Amino acid sequence: RKEVEQDPGPFNVPEGATVAFNCTYSNSASQSFFWYRQDCRKEPKLLMSVYSSGNEDGRFTAQLNRASQYISLLIRDSKLSDSATYLCVVIVLYGGSQGNLIFGKGTKLSVKP
Amino acid sequence: DTGVSQDPRHKITKRGQNVTFRCDPISEHNRLYWYRQTLGQGPEFLTYFQNEAQLEKSRLLSDRFSAERPKGSFSTLEIQRTEQGDSAMYLCASSLKAEGWTQYFGPGTRLLVL
Repeated sequence: RKEVEQDPGPFNVPEGATVAFNCTYSNSASQSFFWYRQDCRKEPKLLMSVYSSGNEDGRFTAQLNRASQYISLLIRDSKLSDSATYLCVVIVLYGGSQGNLIFGKGTKLSVKP
Repeated sequence: DTGVSQDPRHKITKRGQNVTFRCDPISEHNRLYWYRQTLGQGPEFLTYFQNEAQLEKSRLLSDRFSAERPKGSFSTLEIQRTEQGDSAMYLCASSLKAEGWTQYFGPGTRLLVL
């Protein structure tokens, strides 16, 4: 089983739509959670961290459910510029040191006019 | 530009040749990471350094791969005797404790092995 699993999509939505992505992780020792955005042939860029209490940044809302081991990202009022691949990322901490990022395969979003 | 930089951005080589990539992290970031990304996949961790010490290596890092960070600043990733399966995007990231170890990625080096 993959450590981080995402629906690869693509999600094709019209401008203005609300779209949600889910991600599941297998390691219950996962400590930190993020969503990264990656444009075609570009590097990943941090979109937002994900906290247990949930957090919002403008049109983006991230949620974490530790009991079910899943993370979600909600995008409201989609813009054409939101078209990208969204990568779910976890960090498993061990030995008191910062672990490396474990990425999902990504979910592709395409926002159409 | 004060972000992570990588050189070269693209590399085409023949199977069996050696290649070396360079990464310059954000100034004062003491952690530096290497990842590899193939088409349709998320990036996969290869190795990371804290200052000049290489603290972790993935099973993906075969004997043909070696990474160094001799002075705790820039890093190099060398692949010896390249194989077609090495074709990928090689990404470098850096982080700093004061920023919660948030990793910032460079633009990557795209390698094609013919």
